[in-house]
Order: sequence, then structure tokens, then C-alpha cells
Amino acid sequence: DAGVTQSPTHLIKTRGQQVTLRCSPKSGHDTVSWYQQALGQGPQFIFQYYEEEERQRGNFPDRFSGHQFPNYSSELNVNALLLGDSALYLCASSHGTGAFEQYFGPGTRLTVT
Amino acid sequence: GQQVMQIPQYQHVQEGEDFTTYCNSSTTLSNIQWYKQRPGGHPVFLIQLVKSGEVKKQKRLTFQFGEAKKNSSLHITATQTTDVGTYFCAGYGGTYKYIFGTGTRLKVLA
Repeated sequence: DAGVTQSPTHLIKTRGQQVTLRCSPKSGHDTVSWYQQALGQGPQFIFQYYEEEERQRGNFPDRFSGHQFPNYSSELNVNALLLGDSALYLCASSHGTGAFEQYFGPGTRLTVT
Repeated sequence: GQQVMQIPQYQHVQEGEDFTTYCNSSTTLSNIQWYKQRPGGHPVFLIQLVKSGEVKKQKRLTFQFGEAKKNSSLHITATQTTDVGTYFCAGYGGTYKYIFGTGTRLKVLA
């Protein structure tokens, strides 16, 4: 039984570019949440997807957008990259929404130069 | 907005000593979760507390949820080198999102 998978593992982009990160949830999970974790900080909630819709959003600009597919996998898109977007992007899956145990993927390390 | 703070930020202990990290929320929580993140790794779920005053134990780890559901603690008895990592609490206010604390980085000296 595969856990949460994310791709790519590492990514280097230039300021102003766009990036797409991908996440496949744990088998049986239907909810995907995305987090940004800067070095030495706690994960910051970006948004959550359930039934292909964004259910909740954190304090992130519209440059951050996402999508959930019918198979529950999800994408995180970031446009007009800034140096400050450099971070570890974590995907977490759970069953249902609300107060459920979250399983995190290994993350995608994004570096913006 | 809701904020979750943890203290201490860092803790160095000798192997065999006890360790405690404290988590405080600016608002009342529906529940709280605890995670452990090893260096270079991702957060791994440890436990969820839901009831006011709840206490749960996992071997050497003891988790408590405050009576007012605004604070929590994690206590590790007789630390081992395998306990090294950053411990995060994550508070849930009932709005489909968890707010993670600032984390406590634990270093265990053998």
C-alpha cells in the first residue's frame, strides 16, 4: 500500500517562472492539503481540496492555485515565482475533511533563483 | 487570525533525561495533533487529542490537552537518540485547516 507520493523531489526555477507540483494521496484517502515549509519553520497551510473543490485556503496570494482530479490526486501551481517561494512543499492526505489524521508525503524542495 | 506557539524553540538533553514541549493557541481548539519531523524528513503523525483534559500515552511519550482546549504538551521520559527531531503541534479550529506551531527542535546527546 503506497503512502503519499510527490513529484518532483527537487526543483530549481528562476524568478518569474511558473511551477507545478504533484501529489498522489494514500490509498483510500480523498482529501489533499498543501503546506509550505520554509527552512526552520512549521508547515504553513496553503489550501485543502476535497471532491475536486478548494474547501479552505490559508493566507497565500492568488499566485498559488491548485486542482484535484477525480482520482483524488492533486496539483499545486505557483505563478510568477519569487525568491521567497523557495521552500519545502508538503502534500498531506486524509480521509474526509476536518479533524482527521494527516499523512504527509516526502515533499518537493523548490529553489527559486 | 489563529496562532499557535511552541516553547522552547530548541532543547538539548542528555540521553536518559526527560523532555517537554508546550503548545499554546490564541483561540480555543476543536482538537490538536502532534507530529514529529526528523531532520531532512517530513512530518509524521503521532497522536490526536480531542477532549478537554485528555491525556494519552504512547510508550515513553505522554500527551496532554488543556482543560480550556487552548494548550497542550508532549512529555518524553528517558529520551533516546532516536527521539531526535522537531516536534510540532497542529491546532484545528473547525475550519478545515490545521495551524502548525513553531516547533521544538530536540537534540539528544549520547
